[in-house]
Order: sequence, then C-alpha cells, then structure tokens
Amino acid sequence: DVKVTQSSRYLVKRTGEKVFLECVQDMDHENMFWYRQDPGLGLRLIYFSYDVKMKEKGDIPEGYSVSREKKERFSLILESASTNQTSMYLCASRWTDNQPQHFGDGTRLSIL
Amino acid sequence: GDSVTQMEGPVTLSEEAFLTINCTYTATGYPSLFWYVQYPGEGLQLLLKATKADDKGSNKGFEATYRKETTSFHLEKGSVQVSDSAVYFCALSQATGGFKTIFGAGTRLFVKA
Repeated sequence: DVKVTQSSRYLVKRTGEKVFLECVQDMDHENMFWYRQDPGLGLRLIYFSYDVKMKEKGDIPEGYSVSREKKERFSLILESASTNQTSMYLCASRWTDNQPQHFGDGTRLSIL
Repeated sequence: GDSVTQMEGPVTLSEEAFLTINCTYTATGYPSLFWYVQYPGEGLQLLLKATKADDKGSNKGFEATYRKETTSFHLEKGSVQVSDSAVYFCALSQATGGFKTIFGAGTRLFVKA
C-alpha cells in the first residue's frame, strides 16, 4: 500500500531556530508537495518538487525552503522559525499531474 | 485561474440521513476531479475521483458525478454514519502543466447518533 511518512507528528521549537520537517514516500512518485493547514484558510501550498533537485514556489514560500536530493525524500526547512509559522504541515506525493495526491499524517508544529 | 468552491460548513446530520456536499469548479481544459476526506488528527485521504465528463466516482457508499455542463462534482451519500464525521475537500488537477492541485476550503461534517 501507498505510504507517505512524516518524521514527527508533533514538534515544539523556539523562535529563531532552524527547523527541518522530513517526508519520505515509498511509491517512486515524481511529484512531492508541502502544504500548511490553518483553521479557516484550508490547505495552502508552500513548495512543490516535480523531480529530484527540482523545486517550485507555491503560494506562500516566504520563510521556507526545501530540499530534494533523493526521489523519495522531500524536506521542508524553516530558516528562522517565527510564531506565525505555528501550524499543521502536510506532505503529499503523486505520480503525475492528474493523479491523486497521497498525504502523510501531518506534523503539528508549535513555535514558542 | 482555476478554482474550486464548496459549500461552507459545518454540516450537521443525524445518523442515516442523506448527505450532499456541493462543489463547483472553474477550470480551463478538462481537469480531473477528486474528493478527499480528513479524519481528526490525520492527513487527507483520497475518497473518490473522476477523470472525464459524466464519470461517476464511488467509494464507501459515497458518490460524485463529473458534470461538465454545470461545472459541478457534488458529493452524496444515501445514509451517513457517525464514523463519516470528518472534513471533506473537493479538488481538481489538470492533466497537463501547472503541477498544482487546487483544493476547496473544506466542509466539516458532524453526524449525530
């Protein structure tokens, strides 16, 4: 069965820290995505990657960067965490454009 | 640009009631359409999909028909259960280019016993 694994379910960090969120998929999918989900705002796309070492900004990339050195792993980096980055972060992957996305269980990140 | 609009929630129903969650879309070309479900504390799961006009997606008693003439993809279930309580997202994805999936804002469903 399809599996997208996010490294942490819950994470608490301090303002100014560099934070890494890891995501691994076992389906050999080309495309991977990072979203944040906030009450009343739905899912907002932060970054996506359509191939190894390839990345594109989504709708809200400010304050974030990503890394995709291997096909199965897509990392989200908060360069200097701020309290407004407290949120639920969801990773997803899919085979190609019009195929459904497969999501991890999410990481609930709190920045204090 | 492409967009998805779904009915605002929350929707509260009694067990065994009929469910409809409306979804309409704006898109160029011929997108694929999806319904995802998110249970508390979890990520989104694909519920059903349809890839062309008049296709009907179905899963776990849920159905939705791709209506190009009304640009709609309404989710229906004949008899809901308490375990169906979740947030439901309508989404579209284009077959070529763009890479993005466009999600609706989500509709929260509460089912009472």
